[in-house]
Amino acid sequence: LAKTTQPISMDSYEGQEVNITCSHNNIATNDYITWYQQLPSQGPRFIIQGYKTKVTNEVASLFIPADRKSSTLSLPRVSLSDTAVYYCLVGGMDSNYQLIWGAGTKLIIKP
Amino acid sequence: ETGVTQTPRHLVMGMTNKKSLKCEQHLGHNAMYWYKQSAKKPLELMFVYSLEERVENNSVPSRFSPECPNSSHLFLHLHTLQPEDSALYLCASSQDSYYGYTFGSGTRLTVV
Repeated sequence: LAKTTQPISMDSYEGQEVNITCSHNNIATNDYITWYQQLPSQGPRFIIQGYKTKVTNEVASLFIPADRKSSTLSLPRVSLSDTAVYYCLVGGMDSNYQLIWGAGTKLIIKP
Repeated sequence: ETGVTQTPRHLVMGMTNKKSLKCEQHLGHNAMYWYKQSAKKPLELMFVYSLEERVENNSVPSRFSPECPNSSHLFLHLHTLQPEDSALYLCASSQDSYYGYTFGSGTRLTVV
């Protein structure tokens, strides 16, 4: 199972773009990369999922280089409500439902 | 609401009590999960049910007993818990094993 490494914490300001990078050196061919957001006292919420290159949805973009050994979650124009823990997970059909959750990145947005 | 509903939201129980946590999903997913989230620790997978059959249990103590009567409902039966079992218990569902999970809001359990 691929292990991920993320920064423990990050700070930014309202209106800024925030990029959180995740390292996953032993990602397998069939693995997808998925990011979640966990607000205080809530369960994690799916943000975005990708396999390669770039994926964009209404809340974020996910950049994946050709070697797929890392990925970057980009949050455009953050607000105070984006203060949360962000998790990067790697897994696929061979994971057999086992995905390893790390400590995530605690993102604090300041006014 | 995310499509996965957990009840109760908060539960305080003594070490000799028996209680059950309930999870319900109306997303048509074929897999359901119980996770434990303790303070300052990563999420720990406890149980996985795929098509109502248990796939993984990750060596969880027998004082935790899961039940999946159908593809929309999942229970976690609790008995003779310990104070260290106090945590946020999260239910999730997914379509197959590698698409995104949808989590409920969790049950905050305190064992006294």
